[in-house]
Amino acid sequence: KAGVTQTPRYLIKTRGQQVTLSCSPISGHRSVSWYQQTPGQGLQFLFEYFSETQRNKGNFPGRFSGRQFSNSRSEMNVSTLELGDSALYLCASSLEGRGRGRYNEQFFGPGTRLTVL
Amino acid sequence: QKEVEQNSGPLSVPEGAIASLNCTYSDRGSQSFFWYRQYSGKSPELIMSIYSNGDKEDGRFTAQLNKASQYVSLLIRDSQPSDSATYLCALETGANNLFFGTGTRLTVIP
Repeated sequence: KAGVTQTPRYLIKTRGQQVTLSCSPISGHRSVSWYQQTPGQGLQFLFEYFSETQRNKGNFPGRFSGRQFSNSRSEMNVSTLELGDSALYLCASSLEGRGRGRYNEQFFGPGTRLTVL
Repeated sequence: QKEVEQNSGPLSVPEGAIASLNCTYSDRGSQSFFWYRQYSGKSPELIMSIYSNGDKEDGRFTAQLNKASQYVSLLIRDSQPSDSATYLCALETGANNLFFGTGTRLTVIP
């Protein structure tokens, strides 16, 4: 079974621009979560999508948004990029998502490394 | 108090020794616990899940859960240099939130 895929793998943008990242979950997984990882802050939860609905949201500004399509693929958008948005953005999929115990085992994609200049 | 706390390390052990990684948590309602391994420059990889008190073994890895004391541990027996990585503890709280610790960096010295 294919793993979680993310595109693109690397991005370089300048301040003020916007960016869209894409994630394809493992086949059969209905939940997709997005995380930001930086050396200083560790793994920070952005949001979770399940059946095309945002089910949970972390403590990030409204510049960060996402959506999920009917085939469970998800996109994340960051508008008006800031230098502090430079990070590794990770997507993880699970069978049923949060609150589902063993069905919330998260499987991570390789990540998109975003650099904002 | 943070939901999940881990010693950031680095933890250094000689090859062949047992590495012991620990994680404490604050929400007594937490039911599901996960250990992830993350190599430098790579994404986290799930290595163990544990849901009930006691030990769970998988090859050289043993996860230990003690809900009364609110800690979960990961033991790596016969540590190999390839085990050198950052190990992240994660848990699902009673309110169905998933939290990750900041990770413990393990170095296995040949």
